[in-house]
Amino acid sequence: EADIYQTPRYLVIGTGKKITLECSQTMGHDKMYWYQQDPGMELHLIHYSYGVNSTEKGDLSSESTVSRIRTEHFPLTLESARPSHTSQYLCASSESSTMKQFFGPGTRLTVL
Amino acid sequence: ILNVEQSPQSLHVQEGDSTNFTCSFPSSNFYALHWYRWETAKSPEALFVMTLNGDEKKKGRISATLNTKEGYSYLYIKGSQPEDSATYLCASKAAGNKLTFGGGTRVLVKP
Repeated sequence: EADIYQTPRYLVIGTGKKITLECSQTMGHDKMYWYQQDPGMELHLIHYSYGVNSTEKGDLSSESTVSRIRTEHFPLTLESARPSHTSQYLCASSESSTMKQFFGPGTRLTVL
Repeated sequence: ILNVEQSPQSLHVQEGDSTNFTCSFPSSNFYALHWYRWETAKSPEALFVMTLNGDEKKKGRISATLNTKEGYSYLYIKGSQPEDSATYLCASKAAGNKLTFGGGTRVLVKP
């Protein structure tokens, strides 16, 4: 059982609201990732971090931002949610960039 | 961005039958190939990480092979059971790049 957690699991919110999706892991992993998945589509990397104070944008452009102030915590923020942000967001971590990733349960976001 | 393709997109298997499906990926600068199983309402769970050409890994009734020269990997399920129903994701990593996922193969095992 992976020790990686995401909250909330489900979120329905109105356009223009600021939201933060939480992700935390207790495995001491340096590498953390955020993926976005639309129904029936691939997982797309939107953000990653190789350690504290390190954040990079992924392959898929995203209006979200992330921070990595502590090793165990990698929150994702949308300053002004829009319907186009409706998607599933998965957080993951790994011991190194080549080793297997451990995934959280995901947050399913709906923006009305 | 790498193009990782999985086929078929979905398949139905009768309980007890064996099945296999494919992941293809660019072979240049290959570094690692991952397989994950994603059951409904659960998190994706790693099955295998493979790095060497010709490598074969096994976990219970599930096994995988890797051909890095031609850029493909097969996942095999022997004697499928209803609990094998899931989406199977492969992901490829090239040197200097991040892990890129394919669209998955959705397997439904019918009793």
